[in-house]
Amino acid sequence: DARVTQTPRDKVTEMGQEVTMRCQPILGHNTVFWYRQTMMQGLELLAYFRNRAPLDDSGMPKDRFSAEMPDATLATLKIQPSEPRDSAVYFCASGLSGTPSNTGELFFGEGSRLTVL
Amino acid sequence: SQQGEEDPQALSIQEGENATMNCSYKTSINNLQWYRQNSGRGLVHLILIRSNEREKHSGRLRVTLDTSKKSSSLLITASRAADTASYFCATDAGYSTLTFGKGTMLLVSP
Repeated sequence: DARVTQTPRDKVTEMGQEVTMRCQPILGHNTVFWYRQTMMQGLELLAYFRNRAPLDDSGMPKDRFSAEMPDATLATLKIQPSEPRDSAVYFCASGLSGTPSNTGELFFGEGSRLTVL
Repeated sequence: SQQGEEDPQALSIQEGENATMNCSYKTSINNLQWYRQNSGRGLVHLILIRSNEREKHSGRLRVTLDTSKKSSSLLITASRAADTASYFCATDAGYSTLTFGKGTMLLVSP
């Protein structure tokens, strides 16, 4: 059963520490998205990759956040240094875009819940 | 920034009743999608309606789209306790990125 896998599921860290979240998209998908979910802001798009190339990271605080796709099976979101306001659930999603089989839907992982003390 | 805005923010009904959720958006879209999120879980795609479609059905789900009013509705018929979740609309403006609303929390009581 194909699914998006995210690690860690839960992370508690102290302010100033580096945090790395990982995502394994569904095999064959060519788009990967990072979203952040909070009660106040809802779901915010942080970064978007197509065929491993970053297309849009305008929603991401550039000074402390970075997103990469070192290969087709791994996407990472790094926060350095972390701050209490970064506490949220971070979701990775993958999909197919620009292909005949493109259904337009995204497949989400279960999320990484980050708490920064 | 949110493109879609769901209404109501919360909805509480009894099993067997129908649940209707609405979504309004601001700019032109290619398609609109509805997702469900159970507590503590990721979002799950329910249904997609393209901008040239007015109504779509999938099982107990019925989605309508009115592009002139920039609005959509999701109807869940004969609701069940298992339908308890948050429901989000998401719009695709043609750049393959989805913009989500803040969701409607649906509670279905047995």
